[in-house]
Amino acid sequence: GAVVSQHPSRVICKSGTSVKIECRSLDFQATTMFWYRQFPKKSLMLMATSNEGSKATYEQGVEKDKFLINHASLTLSTLTVTSAHPEDSSFYICSARDYLGTDTQYFGPGTRLTVL
Amino acid sequence: GENVEQHPSTLSVQEGDSAVIKCTYSDSASNYFPWYKQELGKRPQLIIDIRSNVGEKKDQRIAVTLNKTAKHFSLHITETQPEDSAVYFCAASRPTDSWGKLQFGAGTQVVVTP
Repeated sequence: GAVVSQHPSRVICKSGTSVKIECRSLDFQATTMFWYRQFPKKSLMLMATSNEGSKATYEQGVEKDKFLINHASLTLSTLTVTSAHPEDSSFYICSARDYLGTDTQYFGPGTRLTVL
Repeated sequence: GENVEQHPSTLSVQEGDSAVIKCTYSDSASNYFPWYKQELGKRPQLIIDIRSNVGEKKDQRIAVTLNKTAKHFSLHITETQPEDSAVYFCAASRPTDSWGKLQFGAGTQVVVTP
């Protein structure tokens, strides 16, 4: 149980284009999902908290107009990187907490974004 | 906000020896402390967690201890095996009024040599 999927696993795009990443909880309902960014050999940096049916809460320094988050259902959250640039290249990982409110976060497999 | 420090950044151990990773946190309101293992290019996997009402928890070769007074917690891996080689992250979170956001430590690269 407690499986989180992400799609795509890897994406290469041209500078200036937008990329959408999906995060799904497959066998549980997630009222809260989190989006992280991870640089090589670095820790997970929280970008934003996504709550079903409400606006996402962004961490300090994260541009909300650049990283659009939508959490339209209890099993799906999306992150759209708008007008991507090479500096946005990174490993993006989502996690989900179940609707029962336990503390445990289950992580998706991550999406490797490369912007040319 | 919460700040989690993790030491050491790298740890090399001989197979069969024990490994200990230590973390300190700053927010006394934090009450949940998970440990994640991440292999290269893979997702972080929860290996053990502890809540503030417990001082120690063990699961086979893995144990976690928590000292609330000193605000530090540690991961202990006994009888290490090559498959224990990975990056380990500690984390801390406050009660659910902050949606359970996790603040991660910087990570420890553990290398177990046969």
